[in-house]
Amino acid sequence: AQSVTQPDIHITVSEGASLELRCNYSYGATPYLFWYVQSPGQGLQLLLKYFSGDTLVQGIKGFEAEFKRSQSSFNLRKPSVHWSDAAEYFCAVGVEAGGSYIPTFGRGTSLIVHP
Amino acid sequence: EPEVTQTPSHQVTQMGQEVILRCVPISNHLYFYWYRQILGQKVEFLVSFYNNEISEKSEIFDDQFSVERPDGSNFTLKIRSTKLEDSAMYFCASSEVGGNYEQYFGPGTRLTVT
Repeated sequence: AQSVTQPDIHITVSEGASLELRCNYSYGATPYLFWYVQSPGQGLQLLLKYFSGDTLVQGIKGFEAEFKRSQSSFNLRKPSVHWSDAAEYFCAVGVEAGGSYIPTFGRGTSLIVHP
Repeated sequence: EPEVTQTPSHQVTQMGQEVILRCVPISNHLYFYWYRQILGQKVEFLVSFYNNEISEKSEIFDDQFSVERPDGSNFTLKIRSTKLEDSAMYFCASSEVGGNYEQYFGPGTRLTVT
């Protein structure tokens, strides 16, 4: 069965600093990989996804992620963090099911941004 | 921009009672999902629904749970006899068939079982 590990429960950065959130997955085949963001009181919003092809994926809000098969990782990065980026971030690995996919989520990383 | 909506935002119920959580998916979407997130834990898949039937379900989705699309717009999750451990945030999501697989999530319903 697939699994996702987000080793950092909390990450604190200063506004304007760079950010990297770690994600490691376990899955026997080529994975579908996702990053979601959840702001307080909101649902999950998809930041970016990887299905195949270029291993560096660009997403919304200036985020990017790199798929590294040899490390089973899909780390999320942003060169300069804004205060509005403070939120919970979830990595997920998806298993295709018919015309959709079923995601397995990590426990999430809470991003705190200092002014 | 179209969005998934959920009602109520917070539901308090007594143990053993039945609850129905409601969702209005995005209008042209055909796949619907329910997830739950127990406080402090990860988001967990419950069930997916397509073409008026359950497509996939997890081990969590046992006989006390059911889903229904009673009309052309609503998608509901019923919990027949609530337990304390059902207290969680429940998220509805919807997606188009095929394509980019993006699931759009609603804001969630916080269920508190006392």
